[in-house]
Amino acid sequence: QQQVKQSPQSLIVQKGGIPIINCAYENTAFDYFPWYQQFPGKGPALLIAIRPDVSEKKEGRFTISFNKSAKQFSLHIMDSQPGDSATYFCAASKDTSGSRLTFGEGTQLTVNP
Amino acid sequence: GAVVSQHPSRVICKSGTSVKIECRSLDFQATTMFWYRQFPKQSLMLMATSNEGSKATYEQGVEKDKFLINHASLTLSTLTVTSAHPEDSSFYICSGYVDGGQVYGYTFGSGTRLTVV
Repeated sequence: QQQVKQSPQSLIVQKGGIPIINCAYENTAFDYFPWYQQFPGKGPALLIAIRPDVSEKKEGRFTISFNKSAKQFSLHIMDSQPGDSATYFCAASKDTSGSRLTFGEGTQLTVNP
Repeated sequence: GAVVSQHPSRVICKSGTSVKIECRSLDFQATTMFWYRQFPKQSLMLMATSNEGSKATYEQGVEKDKFLINHASLTLSTLTVTSAHPEDSSFYICSGYVDGGQVYGYTFGSGTRLTVV
C-alpha cells in the first residue's frame, strides 16, 4: 500500500513537445503529491506539488493533473526544452509533519533539440 | 526558499575508514531530517528518519551501527558511515521537512558522492 508506480521509465521528445509522466498510488491516506526534478550528481528539486482537493495545478510550464478516484496523477511539461532533460520523480506522503515521502521509480526524460 | 546545505559533495575514502556527511538547514528549523541512498539510475531509498534530540528510526535492512545519524540541533544533522567498504559507495542525500504554515514540504540537499576504495 506504500508503493507509488511511475511510468514510463524513459521518455524522449523533441523540443516543444509535451512529455507526460504518470504515477499511480495505492494508499488512500496519501494527500500530498510532489514532483521532483533531478540532474546528474545533484539532489532532487521540487517542481510542483498538489493536494487532492484540486484536480489540476499549473506553475509555469509544469502542470499536475490529479484523479482522486483513479488514484493517479501526472506531470505535463509544456513547450519542453533541452534544459528539461533530467530525471523526474513523483512522490506521495500523508499530511502529517515529518511524514515520509514514498517515491516513484523515476523517469529519465530526454528533450532533443 | 528553504535550503539544505550538504557537505561534502564528493568524498573518496579508504576501506575501513569512517566518513561524516553534514546537512544544515540554512533558513528553517528542520525538526525532521531524512537520509536517502541512491544507486545509479534508481530511485531514492530511505535509510532513516531522524527527529531533533531523539534517536533515528532506521528502515528495515539498514544497519544502524554502520550508518550513524546524529540530529542534535534543529539546523544540523549528520550521517557517519563507519568502517566503510566498497559496497557502501553510493550517492547519499539528506532532506529536511519544512513546516512554515503556508510553506511546507521537503527540501533536499545537493547530495554526497561517496567512493570507497
